[in-house]
Amino acid sequence: GAVVSQHPSWVICKSGTSVKIECRSLDFQATTMFWYRQFPKQSLMLMATSNEGSKATYEQGVEKDKFLINHASLTLSTLTVTSAHPEDSSFYICSARGGVTSGSGEQFFGPGTRLTVL
Amino acid sequence: RKEVEQDPGPFNVPEGATVAFNCTYSNSASQSFFWYRQDCRKEPKLLMSVYSSGNEDGRFTAQLNRASQYISLLIRDSKLSDSATYLCVALSSSNYKLTFGKGTLLTVNP
Repeated sequence: GAVVSQHPSWVICKSGTSVKIECRSLDFQATTMFWYRQFPKQSLMLMATSNEGSKATYEQGVEKDKFLINHASLTLSTLTVTSAHPEDSSFYICSARGGVTSGSGEQFFGPGTRLTVL
Repeated sequence: RKEVEQDPGPFNVPEGATVAFNCTYSNSASQSFFWYRQDCRKEPKLLMSVYSSGNEDGRFTAQLNRASQYISLLIRDSKLSDSATYLCVALSSSNYKLTFGKGTLLTVNP
């Protein structure tokens, strides 16, 4: 299957700082990328959908000013957690979906980024 | 009601056992369904797609019943390496969003 990378794989930061997470599709062009968050023993929850060149669409309850998403190219999307607080500590996972030629809409997941805010 | 509901388990079974997972979904607009597997602290990985006609891949069989909005996964001859969390997932036909169930934890014991 297609390869999606995320960087960093884990990060520890102080409360109040901002953290940027990168999601890259390595061998295909991702027209759409999705950002999920997973708390311990919970399911993946979709945070936002980003389409290349347009503004991200956020799910209900997700603050767009706190979780900034940029999808500047067909292979890169970034999620910035601004002014992070301990309650933002979670496992952040991105997925990428190619165009019609990439199949039935299968999403390929990145390995995830574990964020710990002290 | 949650869009995708699964029995959370945990399921503890001996090697060689047959285990079945159930899942129900509430959004009739859901187009496609999948079972994903997630190992501890890892990303989910696609296990198999689910079709109304049934889908078998080796020891794994998935089934979809659209009338009752019910999805199942059967694992035969369980291996130690099958230990993981199994996620039932629905794909929306309108916006390609995936909705995940909470997952069912399976532990296969020697």
